[in-house]
Amino acid sequence: DIVMTQGALPNPVPSGESASITCRSSKSLVYKDGKTYLNWFLQRPGQSPQLLTYWTSTRASGVSERFSGSGSGTYFTLKISRVRAEDAGVYYCQQVREYPYTFGAGTKLELK
Amino acid sequence: QVQLQQSGAELAKPGSSVKISCKASGYTFTSYDISWIKQTTGQGLEYIGYINTGSGGTYYNEKFKGKATLTVDKSSSTAFMQLSSLTPEDTAVYYCAGGRRFAYWGQGTLVTVSS
Repeated sequence: DIVMTQGALPNPVPSGESASITCRSSKSLVYKDGKTYLNWFLQRPGQSPQLLTYWTSTRASGVSERFSGSGSGTYFTLKISRVRAEDAGVYYCQQVREYPYTFGAGTKLELK
Repeated sequence: QVQLQQSGAELAKPGSSVKISCKASGYTFTSYDISWIKQTTGQGLEYIGYINTGSGGTYYNEKFKGKATLTVDKSSSTAFMQLSSLTPEDTAVYYCAGGRRFAYWGQGTLVTVSS
């Protein structure tokens, strides 16, 4: 199975600052169609995970432009610009390159 | 709007089975596969598998073969997951999610296994 390893954040993050979360995969997530199958989710306290980005950098419908995904191959980053109170929660990366799909352990974002 | 409504919390005894439902609305049911995900404090998010809502075809994560059984009832736009031979390690919140991008999620169903 592909192992997803996420980095930590220097919590708490001051409101209005930027935060970047890293995610590494144990295998390249590039598929034969050229797309890179990496999703990012935010799970707010008491809620279900919410899709933020797919194909590494494409924002899901309704997701703020403050969220931007980047990366390639096995190394990925989710950047959150101008952090706001509503951004607090746990962020997960997920590979959907091959079965079984796997998630990172999660990165908690706390606001100051 | 797309909604996935899951059944309520379950309290089950070790060795028994439970069946969780995930009722879809706001779209054509057979447009999206339904995946199932397990969430625990210790293991985080684990992918159980998915069901093709049109054909009924399934994929199971090897770890959950023999534990989970996925089915659909197209007439009611509902997907089901049965968990069998329950142990305390099956205590978790279980989510259904729609689409290959996991864009739509149910609210989760807490399953507690305890004697």
